[in-house]
Amino acid sequence: EAQVTQNPRYLITVTGKKLTVTCSQNMNHEYMSWYRQDPGLGLRQIYYSMNVEVTDKGDVPEGYKVSRKEKRNFPLILESPSPNQTSLYFCASSSVRQLSQAFFGQGTRLTVV
Amino acid sequence: DQQVKQNSPSLSVQEGRISILNCDYTNSMFDYFLWYKKYPAEGPTFLISISSIKDKNEDGRFTVFLNKSAKHLSLHIVPSQPGDSAVYFCAASVLGGSNYKLTFGKGTLLTVNP
Repeated sequence: EAQVTQNPRYLITVTGKKLTVTCSQNMNHEYMSWYRQDPGLGLRQIYYSMNVEVTDKGDVPEGYKVSRKEKRNFPLILESPSPNQTSLYFCASSSVRQLSQAFFGQGTRLTVV
Repeated sequence: DQQVKQNSPSLSVQEGRISILNCDYTNSMFDYFLWYKKYPAEGPTFLISISSIKDKNEDGRFTVFLNKSAKHLSLHIVPSQPGDSAVYFCAASVLGGSNYKLTFGKGTLLTVNP
């Protein structure tokens, strides 16, 4: 089954404690991205990757890092989480033939206290 | 500056009737538009899309209309079913740009009453 898998689904952490949210896709997609969803703001892009070792900032990259060492994986790293990063996070992937038709993971609800 | 706007936070319709969800955009560079549906505790799923070279695209009960001059698109669901109850996001993209990101609206919660 074609899917984008995020882990964990839910996470509560404390300010400053480094964390990683994993994302993996099994569709051999070149393009992957991270979004955050906040009430009243819709989904906003954090980072994206056009292919292995190629990453770039989206609209709200501050406080986040990503890496793309393998095609299937695109982890989101919060080096020093803060309460304003409490949000619902989605990973997405697309093929180059249908770049705008993204497949989304189920989401990771992160709470930073 | 919000480039994709969904001005109706919610919409309620009766089963069997038409649901019309609206979306406006401000960036004239957008040339590809999509609708995503989102159920609680799930990620958004692609529903239907339209290129700027068309003014209508139909897929079963779902039709998307694009009015480029008004920078407006709408999603019609006919007939509406209770299983259509979800949040609908309008999204726009620039094909061929350096970043194939989707710019989303804030979403409209559709409730279809039996």
